[in-house]
Amino acid sequence: DAEITQSPRHKITETGRQVTLACHQTWNHNNMFWYRQDLGHGLRLIHYSYGVHDTNKGEVSDGYSVSRSNTEDLPLTLESAASSQTSVYFCASSEGTGLYNEQFFGPGTRLTVL
Amino acid sequence: KNEVEQSPQNLTAQEGEFITINCSYSVGISALHWLQQHPGGGIVSLFMLSSGKKKHGRLIATINIQEKHSSLHITASHPRDSAVYICAVRAYGSRLTFGEGTQLTVNP
Repeated sequence: DAEITQSPRHKITETGRQVTLACHQTWNHNNMFWYRQDLGHGLRLIHYSYGVHDTNKGEVSDGYSVSRSNTEDLPLTLESAASSQTSVYFCASSEGTGLYNEQFFGPGTRLTVL
Repeated sequence: KNEVEQSPQNLTAQEGEFITINCSYSVGISALHWLQQHPGGGIVSLFMLSSGKKKHGRLIATINIQEKHSSLHITASHPRDSAVYICAVRAYGSRLTFGEGTQLTVNP
């Protein structure tokens, strides 16, 4: 069955370290998204991609980067982790831009920056 | 003010009760989504709608485009319905803007 996976599921790191969170989908979807979820906020968009070599900034992109070298993967990199980046991160994918375009979410990665 | 507002933030009900969760938004949209986040953290899509009403089992979602308002109803609620329910709107392309969610607890 097609799916979307994230790794690691849990990560503890130190301030200043570079961290990469992986997202892999087997739906062959064009669109991929990274969100963070924090208490007091809804899911907020970090970066998104509409296809290979396409990347775009979301509303909370500072301190994060992504690259899309193939259809299946959109890794999220924290260049220099900060305590404010402690959060739960969700990756999602969708097929296209159709009216009833459903997003499928990964299981999430809980990141703690000490 | 957030573009997507949900109410209530928290809701506790007894098993069997009829439940309503509300979502108001302030922008023009092409579609509205209702999502469910389980206690373990997984997020699944329940409904996508742009007009009228949709029903799936005990869940009903309605939307009023003119009033920029949507409701999610759960009939004959059950403890397994306990979860966070999230409203999200799609204004441009495939990007979603999310409400903060409503924590529902259904007691036996």
